[in-house]
This record gives sequence, C-alpha cells and structure tokens, in this order.
Amino acid sequence: AQSVTQPDIHITVSEGASLELRCNYSYGATPYLFWYVQSPGQGLQLLLKYFSGDTLVQGIKGFEAEFKRSQSSFNLRKPSVHWSDAAEYFCAVGASGNQFYFGTGTSLTVIP
Amino acid sequence: NAGVTQTPKFRILKIGQSMTLQCAQDMNHNYMYWYRQDPGMGLKLIYYSVGAGITDKGEVPNGYNVSRSTTEDFPLRLELAAPSQTSVYFCASSPGQGYGYTFGSGTRLTVV
Repeated sequence: AQSVTQPDIHITVSEGASLELRCNYSYGATPYLFWYVQSPGQGLQLLLKYFSGDTLVQGIKGFEAEFKRSQSSFNLRKPSVHWSDAAEYFCAVGASGNQFYFGTGTSLTVIP
Repeated sequence: NAGVTQTPKFRILKIGQSMTLQCAQDMNHNYMYWYRQDPGMGLKLIYYSVGAGITDKGEVPNGYNVSRSTTEDFPLRLELAAPSQTSVYFCASSPGQGYGYTFGSGTRLTVV
C-alpha cells in the first residue's frame, strides 16, 4: 500500500539558515511526488513535483527537492530560509486514479 | 481566475443535522477531490471524481456522500452529523493523472 512518512513533526530554524525537510514514501511503481505548503488558515499550495527525469527538481519560492529511489526519499531543501517560509509542509505521493497520499506534515518555525 | 471555491468557510452543526459543503472550480478540470484534515493526521481522501457522473470512495468515505452532475461542481453531503466529523474539509481539482492539485481555502466544520 502507498504511504508517506514525514519523520519530523516540527522543525525550528534561524532565518538565513539552510533547511531540509524529510519525506519517505512507499509505492510499488515509479511515483509521482509532490511537496505542498500550507500557511495558517489557508489551503495547500503546490511547491514542486517530480514525475521522471532529473532527480533534482526546482520549485517556487527558492525550494528544491531531490528524488532518491534507493532511499525512497524526496527531501525538500532551501539554502536560506526567510521568516515568510514559516508554515506547514506536506509531502505527497500520487497513486492510481490521480489519488494522492499525504504525509502528516512538518511544521516549520523560523526564528529571527 | 477564481480557481477552486469552497463555501461556507465556517459552520457549526448540531449532532444529527445534515449539510452540504459546496465546491466549484472554473479551470475545466476533470478530477476533483474531497479531503479532510485533522491535527497531526495529514489529509485523508474522502471521495473523488474523474469526471461528471463518475465518483468513487477514498480512504474515509463513511458518513459522507457526493455527486458530480457537472464538471464544475462537486458537493459533499454530510448526513446525520457526528462529532467525529469535526474537521477542516478541503476540495481540490486537477487536470489529470500526474498533475498537482489546486486546493480551495477549506471549510472548518464543528459538530456539537
């Protein structure tokens, strides 16, 4: 069965520091992988997606993610975090019927 | 460009009451979805539709019903509301397999 694990419930980083959010998935075939961001009281916004090809994908707001098949991972990274990046981040894997399975989310706090 | 519009934004229901959560999209997307989001649980798929007249159950369909008479609209019906249905509900749409979702801003429902 498909599943997504985000092992970090909450992460705190200083503004300007680098960020890595972890995501591990379980899926039988080549997955479609996504990262979404949710600001308080808002819906989810797509940050980036991986379908095939280059395993390093670039997204909006300066984020990137790397697909590592051998580790079943799709970690999200940003070189320098801004205070406005504070939000909840969700990793998702796309399955048949275009259904998505979401992780439980990682809450990011940015301190000045 | 409105995207995905959900109404109402907030609602309080009494146990046993019924209501319909509205969802409309203006992007001519074939795929539409209803998710519920509970703290620490991520998003769980309730129902989805791959086109007008076609709906199917997701992970947590019990207590809910849907219909899809047009491409634009995908209402979610709650019959006999229960406290366990207290949640934030998100509607989403997608143009097809492998594409990311566009989410609405959510409906916060409380059942008392």
